[in-house]
Amino acid sequence: GENVEQHPSTLSVQEGDSAVIKCTYSDSASNYFPWYKQELGKRPQLIIDIRSNVGEKKDQRIAVTLNKTAKHFSLHITETQPEDSAVYFCAASRVRTGGFKTIFGAGTRLFVKA
Amino acid sequence: DSGVTQTPKHLITATGQRVTLRCSPRSGDLSVYWYQQSLDQGLQFLIQYYNGEERAKGNILERFSAQQFPDLHSELNLSSLELGDSALYFCASSVGQEVDEQFFGPGTRLTVL
Repeated sequence: GENVEQHPSTLSVQEGDSAVIKCTYSDSASNYFPWYKQELGKRPQLIIDIRSNVGEKKDQRIAVTLNKTAKHFSLHITETQPEDSAVYFCAASRVRTGGFKTIFGAGTRLFVKA
Repeated sequence: DSGVTQTPKHLITATGQRVTLRCSPRSGDLSVYWYQQSLDQGLQFLIQYYNGEERAKGNILERFSAQQFPDLHSELNLSSLELGDSALYFCASSVGQEVDEQFFGPGTRLTVL
């Protein structure tokens, strides 16, 4: 079935270092790849997204890359700050019978140490 | 604040009972999605509605059902509740039925005792 694998499950970095989270999807028809940040007890919030016709997208300290051939996409956070500490979820979506189904990865718990 | 509202915020009930969770999407959004998030787990897609019609279905149990009303609010009905149904239930909305950013509500925490 469709699934999204996300690695690592936990990531600890020093403030100022970079963090990289990787995801692999199985459904080759997926065409939208959002990344969500979820702080403890709060709702997931979109931080960046990429569509299948784009290979890379950047927004300040956050960037996402997509390799459609390998069915692989990654989140890069540079100059990490303690407030970046949260759980990050990748997801893959595709239009299906008039709607779309979003499959989420299991999440990566990021700790940024001051 | 995403503009998506969910009620109630917390719900405690017993096994075998039935509950209804309510969601109001952002103004102008026609699609509503329901997700289940168990403790320390990822988000499991349950179902999507667009303008009152079911559009996509995920791993939703037969004991669960949902609908979207003409005013676009949605309800998720959970029946014959089991301990394992305890989770955070999120509703999200987006503008259309095509792939697009989803805005999540604050969630309803369901505890089944």
